[in-house]
Amino acid sequence: AQSVTQLDSQVPVFEEAPVELRCNYSSSVSVYLFWYVQYPNQGLQLLLKYLSGSTLVKGINGFEAEFNKSQTSFHLRKPSVHISDTAEYFCAVRGRYNFNKFYFGSGTKLNVKP
Amino acid sequence: DAGVTQSPTHLIKTRGQQVTLRCSPKSGHDTVSWYQQALGQGPQFIFQYYEEEERQRGNFPDRFSGHQFPNYSSELNVNALLLGDSALYLCASSLSEGGRDYNEQFFGPGTRLTVL
Repeated sequence: AQSVTQLDSQVPVFEEAPVELRCNYSSSVSVYLFWYVQYPNQGLQLLLKYLSGSTLVKGINGFEAEFNKSQTSFHLRKPSVHISDTAEYFCAVRGRYNFNKFYFGSGTKLNVKP
Repeated sequence: DAGVTQSPTHLIKTRGQQVTLRCSPKSGHDTVSWYQQALGQGPQFIFQYYEEEERQRGNFPDRFSGHQFPNYSSELNVNALLLGDSALYLCASSLSEGGRDYNEQFFGPGTRLTVL
């Protein structure tokens, strides 16, 4: 089985500042990694995913994440945040051969202040 | 092209009652997964349906059951509701046999269940 730890439950940041949301995972097998965003009263929207290849993955809305196998991390970054980025962000992992059974972290609430 | 749809949007039930939630997958998808998201938590995997059968199951009691229909839509049933079943129930669809959306899950907006 896999598990995900998101150490920061809340991250406050001022508009136009950079941000990093941390994600660490645990797995005994090769994994695929994902970041999802959830706006209030909505479902989850995929930001980006790492399947293989380059460890630096670029997603929508200017977000990017870097897969670090030795540190079992997949941190999400954005160089300059906007008010509209205020939402909850979830890191997820699935085993490479596990038919889309996803394990999610507990989420990080990003609060962008003007 | 409609994405994943779920009904109803909100539902209020009392303890001991039974509830049925519905999900229509994204066009072309053949696999449906259900997740429970309690307040302040990440989604927890309930089970997954493929070819009208339960393929995988998370750590949920037998009170939680499901069904997949020939058109790939799915239902989640919860019997003998408990207060702790109050949550947002998310449906996710995916493709199990390859294609552009392979390895991804697309989520619906969820059904908010409140048990009183």
